[in-house]
Amino acid sequence: NAGVTQTPKFQVLKTGQSMTLQCAQDMNHEYMSWYRQDPGMGLRLIHYSVGAGITDQGEVPNGYNVSRSTTEDFPLRLLSAAPSQTSVYFCASSPHTVETQYFGPGTRLLVL
Amino acid sequence: GEDVEQSLFLSVREGDSSVINCTYTDSSSTYLYWYKQEPGAGLQLLTYIFSNMDMKQDQRLTVLLNKKDKHLSLRIADTQTGDSAIYFCAESPGSGNTGKLIFGQGTTLQVKP
Repeated sequence: NAGVTQTPKFQVLKTGQSMTLQCAQDMNHEYMSWYRQDPGMGLRLIHYSVGAGITDQGEVPNGYNVSRSTTEDFPLRLLSAAPSQTSVYFCASSPHTVETQYFGPGTRLLVL
Repeated sequence: GEDVEQSLFLSVREGDSSVINCTYTDSSSTYLYWYKQEPGAGLQLLTYIFSNMDMKQDQRLTVLLNKKDKHLSLRIADTQTGDSAIYFCAESPGSGNTGKLIFGQGTTLQVKP
């Protein structure tokens, strides 16, 4: 199993540009989540999904969209990037028991 | 609301014990977790404790849970330089299972030789 994979690893955007951060898992996990990590603030939940076709907002959803058309994939979309979205983004997945979440390696995003 | 608090920094000497503390607000949290993040890396689950337990031990790691005070601690025995990292406490809020985690700000552990 590859576990949780994220692409790209690094990205630089200009303000106003759009992009999609990809996340995929091959463990047949029902739950998937997106977090952002900023210095001194830990990880904050952006959006999460408890199964294909079901998504919900986390603590900081503004400026981000998600969809979950398959169990494997959970892309995060930035429709119009802002400098405040400069961060490290982590995707995670877990089986429904939530005894543990598996994290991807992260995507470092810089918005100029 | 849901909130998890940690102290930001801890410095210890190699061989000493480290104790990292955490407080949380959601008394219905089913699981509480400790994650480790090394520089430039993702998060690695160290251990977790179910809310009906008081203590969990796993090799050099001991987790203590005081549910009355909503206080969680992680003790690392015989701390090594390889333990230098950021440690995050997290709770899974609510009695149901939503796949959500609420994280603390992280405690940077510095281990001096």
